[in-house]
Amino acid sequence: EAGVAQSPRYKIIEKRQSVAFWCNPISGHATLYWYQQILGQGPKLLIQFQNNGVVDDSQLPKDRFSAERLKGVDSTLKIQPAKLEDSAVYLCASSLDPGRNQPQHFGDGTRLSIL
Amino acid sequence: AQSVAQPEDQVNVAEGNPLTVKCTYSVSGNPYLFWYVQYPNRGLQFLLKYITGDNLVKGSYGFEAEFNKSQTSFHLKKPSALVSDSALYFCAVRDPLSGSARQLTFGSGTQLTVLP
Repeated sequence: EAGVAQSPRYKIIEKRQSVAFWCNPISGHATLYWYQQILGQGPKLLIQFQNNGVVDDSQLPKDRFSAERLKGVDSTLKIQPAKLEDSAVYLCASSLDPGRNQPQHFGDGTRLSIL
Repeated sequence: AQSVAQPEDQVNVAEGNPLTVKCTYSVSGNPYLFWYVQYPNRGLQFLLKYITGDNLVKGSYGFEAEFNKSQTSFHLKKPSALVSDSALYFCAVRDPLSGSARQLTFGSGTQLTVLP
């Protein structure tokens, strides 16, 4: 089966600019996650979708971050405006049934550098 | 609140020797525990999980982990390390009794280096 696809792989922007990331989960996976992984740390959940509904966005900085999954498949994560502290790898993951502890499958991430 | 600690940032082991990567957790109820591996410039890959049952869990690539409730630990082990096992390893926990019942909390990671 095809894995989780993310684009772009790398992005360099200046602070206060906007940026968007795209994720296509594994076919049939209803649950989609966006994580932020800062260098030297474990992934931190930003937002979790079940189909096109938000399950958990408690750690999403909503003043600058937004995410959507309009048709319950692809998802985009946007940062506007970016700050220096947003430099990180943004990982997308999907899962078949987290309620049954099915594992999360991760994409290779987008490495964001803020100048 | 659920949390997980990986006390070692770096573990070095010689090829062919057994390896252990340590993980301890804190949850309100019975934990669901996971190990993931991350290779450079790649996403995380699932290795194994403990949900219930036998305390010794076997996973991918010859890895296993032992759940110890009294010590609140879930250490990752492999009897004979390979150079190709060199990677960043993450322990994660999910507490079914927490408010964020569906959320995984990851440790900070342990860099494993297997020396030839």
